[in-house]
Amino acid sequence: GQQLNQSPQSMFIQEGEDVSMNCTSSSIFNTWLWYKQDPGEGPVLLIALYKAGELTSNGRLTAQFGITRKDSFLNISASIPSDVGIYFCAGQRGNSGNTPLVFGKGTRLSVIA
Amino acid sequence: ETGVTQSPTHLIKTRGQQVTLRCSSQSGHNTVSWYQQALGQGPQFIFQYYREEENGRGNFPPRFSGLQFPNYSSELNVNALELDDSALYLCASSVGTGGPGRELFFGEGSRLTVL
Repeated sequence: GQQLNQSPQSMFIQEGEDVSMNCTSSSIFNTWLWYKQDPGEGPVLLIALYKAGELTSNGRLTAQFGITRKDSFLNISASIPSDVGIYFCAGQRGNSGNTPLVFGKGTRLSVIA
Repeated sequence: ETGVTQSPTHLIKTRGQQVTLRCSSQSGHNTVSWYQQALGQGPQFIFQYYREEENGRGNFPPRFSGLQFPNYSSELNVNALELDDSALYLCASSVGTGGPGRELFFGEGSRLTVL
């Protein structure tokens, strides 16, 4: 099945550093979402973006919905050990609620204290 | 804690067997979606149930089937298991089907291993 192109696949950073990851698609999405998944858990929604160009923050997290509707990025500032996990982008094409989410393969973040 | 509970958490089956996975949605949520997450991959949409009817389906064969009950809980059934069915199966609940980007609340998943 189709998945979004998410990069980088993994990253190792020092505690306190900023992190940036992005997600691209060859087709347009009307909604972009960012999830975090911890080991043994299901994904948890971090940020939802509904309009092209929208920039939204949630604490130390900031995400943007690309103008072309084909990309999105997530930034984490001043990383801390509990930021460790796998971050997934997800897109939703349609405007109806039964349009399924299409996920990227994830970015695995490791934070070195 | 999302309020979405799945069972069993882990199970092992052999090829050709059948499996039933269960999901209790968060209180007040009437829509349940199922996703398959293979190792190292993002979740893939299987299908969605709303008001006890299938309301959208991904690219999965008919041997993947489901049910939703009047209390909005749901089952995922997989017949004739294949090795590639080994994955984490995630259930997500939400309110209604209208509107984009409605928030999905995921359970912790059922990890299926097919030998």
